[in-house]
Order: sequence, then structure tokens, then C-alpha cells
Amino acid sequence: GAVVSQHPSRVICKSGTSVKIECRSLDFQATTMFWYRQFPKQSLMLMATSNEGSKATYEQGVEKDKFLINHASLTLSTLTVTSAHPEDSSFYICSARARRARSYNEQFFGPGTRLTVL
Amino acid sequence: QKEVEQDPGPLSVPEGAIVSLNCTYSNSAFQYFMWYRQYSRKGPELLMYTYSSGNKEDGRFTAQVDKSSKYISLFIRDSQPSDSATYLCAMKETSGSRLTFGEGTQLTVNP
Repeated sequence: GAVVSQHPSRVICKSGTSVKIECRSLDFQATTMFWYRQFPKQSLMLMATSNEGSKATYEQGVEKDKFLINHASLTLSTLTVTSAHPEDSSFYICSARARRARSYNEQFFGPGTRLTVL
Repeated sequence: QKEVEQDPGPLSVPEGAIVSLNCTYSNSAFQYFMWYRQYSRKGPELLMYTYSSGNKEDGRFTAQVDKSSKYISLFIRDSQPSDSATYLCAMKETSGSRLTFGEGTQLTVNP
């Protein structure tokens, strides 16, 4: 159980276009979803936290107008990178926290999406 | 200063060796400590979590926490080539949901 999927797994786009990444919890309801960005050989950096039905909370330095997050249901969150540029190229990973998460904030991670902006 | 420091490696060991991975932290509010394993181009998967000082064992893995020194470790016994991955430590304060990750240590176990 506790499977999180992401789609697409890999995307290549031209500079200036927008890209949407989906994150789904397949067998549990995710009251909270998290979006991370990971550059090569670096750790996961939290971008934003989203709770179902409410606006996402962005980390300092993350442009909310550039990285649009929607968490419309208990099993789906989307991240849209608007007007993508080469510096946005990265590995984007989502995670989901179940309604009855353990106190240490048990999060289940998706497999990640590799974004390359040309 | 980073809240969590982790030696990025890379670390290369022969099969069967004991591996020691470490993280130090500066935020005394961290109370929950986790170790994740991440294979190349995949999402992290949870290996172990602890919330008290001392040792916790799960098969070949032992997690150790020393809150007085703000130091945590993960030991892997009888390491296998399949253990080759990046290992990330993560920490959380008592309240809130935010995890703070270390940089990750890249481990290669050679057959």
C-alpha cells in the first residue's frame, strides 16, 4: 500500500512553455501533499505544501506565480511550471501524507519527474 | 550554516562491509529522525525513523541518535551491491509537517 505516482516521468519542453506535473496517491487519501525540487547531487528542497481544498503554502524564495499548485482532491495534486526556462530544469518530486499519518509526518514519495527545458 | 549537514561522499565499500552514514544538525527542536534511500532517478523510500536517543535495529540496518551531540547515524551490516544508492537523513520538529533533508551520501557497494 501507500503508493504515489507521478506523471509524466520525464518531459522535455521549449523555453517559454508551461508544463503540468501530476501527483496521485493511488491507495490512500492524501490530506497534504508536498512538492520538492532536487538538483543533481543535491538534496530535496521543499517548494510548497498543499492541503486539499486550500491554497498552497510556498517556501521562501519560491515564486508562487511561476509554480502553480492545485490540490483539488484527496488523491491528486498538480504542479504547473509556467513559462519554463532552462534554469527550471530539475527533478521534481511529490510526496503525500495520509489522513492518519504517524507523528513523525510519514510521507510517501512519488518516483519523480525529470524536467528539461531547452 | 545549514540546519542539517551530511557528508555527500561518494562512499565506496566492498560487499560485506559495515557502512556508517552520519548527519549532524544544529536545530535542537528536531525530534524525529528519518533515513531514506534513493535509487538513481527515483523518489526516496523510507528506511527507518526514530524519535528518541539510542539505537533502533531493523534487519541489517541500525539507526542511532545522540540528541546531546546532535548527531545521527545509520549503520548497514553485511552490505550488498543492491544497497548502492543515495542515503538521505531527514528531520522534523515536534510540531508542523516540514521535513529538513541532508544532502545525501552516495554509496556504492562493490561485488
